[in-house]
Amino acid sequence: DTGVSQNPRHKITKRGQNVTFRCDPISEHNRLYWYRQTLGQGPEFLTYFQNEAQLEKSRLLSDRFSAERPKGSFSTLEIQRTEQGDSAMYLCASSSNPGQGSGDTQYFGPGTRLTVL
Amino acid sequence: QKEVEQDPGPLSVPEGAIVSLNCTYSNSAFQYFMWYRQYSRKGPELLMYTYSSGNKEDGRFTAQVDKSSKYISLFIRDSQPSDSATYLCAMSTPRDDKIIFGKGTRLHILP
Repeated sequence: DTGVSQNPRHKITKRGQNVTFRCDPISEHNRLYWYRQTLGQGPEFLTYFQNEAQLEKSRLLSDRFSAERPKGSFSTLEIQRTEQGDSAMYLCASSSNPGQGSGDTQYFGPGTRLTVL
Repeated sequence: QKEVEQDPGPLSVPEGAIVSLNCTYSNSAFQYFMWYRQYSRKGPELLMYTYSSGNKEDGRFTAQVDKSSKYISLFIRDSQPSDSATYLCAMSTPRDDKIIFGKGTRLHILP
């Protein structure tokens, strides 16, 4: 399967614990995005990378959230001191953007469903 | 007012009917318009991608964009029970490549 993959698919944690999610994009896609989706809502943008550079972060991304893409391939999203409000589906997407302003077809992974008790 | 408005439904139609889904938006800078399909507990799957105004057809799916009215539509012909899912409209600007999504419309095709 050459699509976007995410691990784990499900994570249950207690409030205050740290969690880390991993995303493996489509091979050779230079852009990688993280979104959060809560029940009954569309995905909301969190942050994105072009290669290893993190280019934009949403104001939704509090200081407890950090994302990395150290070698420009896979990415991790860490949430520290989780809160019940962090419960959501965390989606990763990738694209082979040819350049700004040229449109961006993003392909999504299956998501990681986080439940904070 | 949110940037992208979409009726959450649910919308129930009989098998074989034509389905019409739509979204309105407020940001005139949007130039790229997408429709994603999302099955329960899965990631969104790209269905249609259009640039600026006009129509695009792919099999049973037709996407329409009317920039003058800030209104986009997705039509599904000969609807099948397997089309039952949530349909998300999405859009972006040339300057800013992050996608802004609607809430999604839940569609049920009744056998």
